[in-house]
Amino acid sequence: QVQLQESGPGLVKPSQTLSLTCTVSGGSISSGSYYWSWIRQPAGKGLEWIGRIYTSGSTNYNPSLKSRVTISVDTSKNQFSLKLSSVTAADTAVYYCARAGGGTAMVDYWGQGTLVTVSS
Amino acid sequence: SYVLTQPPSVSVAPGQTARITCGGNNIGSKSVHWYQQKPGQAPVLVVYDDSDRPSGIPERFSGSNSGNTATLTISRVEAGDEADYYCQVWDSSIYVVFGGGTKLTVL
Repeated sequence: QVQLQESGPGLVKPSQTLSLTCTVSGGSISSGSYYWSWIRQPAGKGLEWIGRIYTSGSTNYNPSLKSRVTISVDTSKNQFSLKLSSVTAADTAVYYCARAGGGTAMVDYWGQGTLVTVSS
Repeated sequence: SYVLTQPPSVSVAPGQTARITCGGNNIGSKSVHWYQQKPGQAPVLVVYDDSDRPSGIPERFSGSNSGNTATLTISRVEAGDEADYYCQVWDSSIYVVFGGGTKLTVL
């Protein structure tokens, strides 16, 4: 059973960079044809896809966030990471890491989510 | 960009059938996935590729997709089905798109 766990600071100051890591257990991040993804959800609102990375290192980002987002993978640690720069209060949300499989990007495994608050 | 439109809320009595729609331009040509999210929890995949169910999801959950509308149908609704439901597609230009979500209330 694949499990994902987000980790990182719960509070980030405006204009700084938000950094989160997702640790994958129960399977190798390098096996299978999966995209490792980040999705966020502001309080009381819907889901927003941030981006994804394939184990080859190829990435795709939400066009609305592309200029501020970097997703990377460390296969030796079975982890992938998110960096979101120049954050504002609008970036306050629960951030989920997830596994998306298949050619149609269905998300079959989710982390429990971690709340990141942007505030001075 | 590609937009998915869901009704904000749907209400249904226990034992009845709930239908949650997801509208998008020619969505019938895409594969649609549906997620259930209960308060304080991560979403759970309940239907994928329009109408397939992951293991462990009751047969009461089914899906269809044609034209400009995809539909999640929940038969014999139970109190435990009360949750937010999101549709999602993959699009070649924006990659992953979620609908705005529908709150299912069991009366």
